[in-house]
Amino acid sequence: DAGVIQSPRHEVTEMGQEVTLRCKPISGHNSLFWYRQTMMRGLELLIYFNNNVPIDDSGMPEDRFSAKMPNASFSTLKIQPSEPRDSAVYFCASSFSGLSNQPQHFGDGTRLSIL
Amino acid sequence: GQQLNQSPQSMFIQEGEDVSMNCTSSSIFNTWLWYKQDPGEGPVLLIALYKAGELTSNGRLTAQFGITRKDSFLNISASIPSDVGIYFCAGQRTGNQFYFGTGTSLTVIP
Repeated sequence: DAGVIQSPRHEVTEMGQEVTLRCKPISGHNSLFWYRQTMMRGLELLIYFNNNVPIDDSGMPEDRFSAKMPNASFSTLKIQPSEPRDSAVYFCASSFSGLSNQPQHFGDGTRLSIL
Repeated sequence: GQQLNQSPQSMFIQEGEDVSMNCTSSSIFNTWLWYKQDPGEGPVLLIALYKAGELTSNGRLTAQFGITRKDSFLNISASIPSDVGIYFCAGQRTGNQFYFGTGTSLTVIP
């Protein structure tokens, strides 16, 4: 079975450029999560969606970050304009949330470097 | 946001030794998860716990849901070099959101 698929795996870009990260959740999962991981702060939840609707975006650092989930099989996380402090590994995870919430399954992440 | 205290922060052990790590919180959780992350990859689920007092094994791994519902433990028996990685706990109260621990970095010396 295909797991959570993220693209690109690596992104290097200059400060000020727009960055778009993509995620395809596991088929049948109805919750999707975006995380950021750094050495200093560990795993931070940025935003999560349930049935394509954003439920909690309190972890989004600032207005430069935005996320969308236009359908059940695709989500994007966009940073515009990007800054060097945005450099991190960004993970997408998905789960099925029903009567009993199931564990999240993670993609392999996008390693983002802003120069 | 909610932080789980995970300890130890890092461990250096000899191959064959047993490993213990734990996760504590000031809040009660309904679900505890343990993940392992290898370099360059995403966290992979190891064990999920859903009931206070539950003890679950997955091969050489055993995890327990603390009776107070504020902690969880992960043990690895007879460690091998491929156990190297970062281990994360995660707890869930209600809703979809899980809160992650700060991670335990495990190094196994052959």
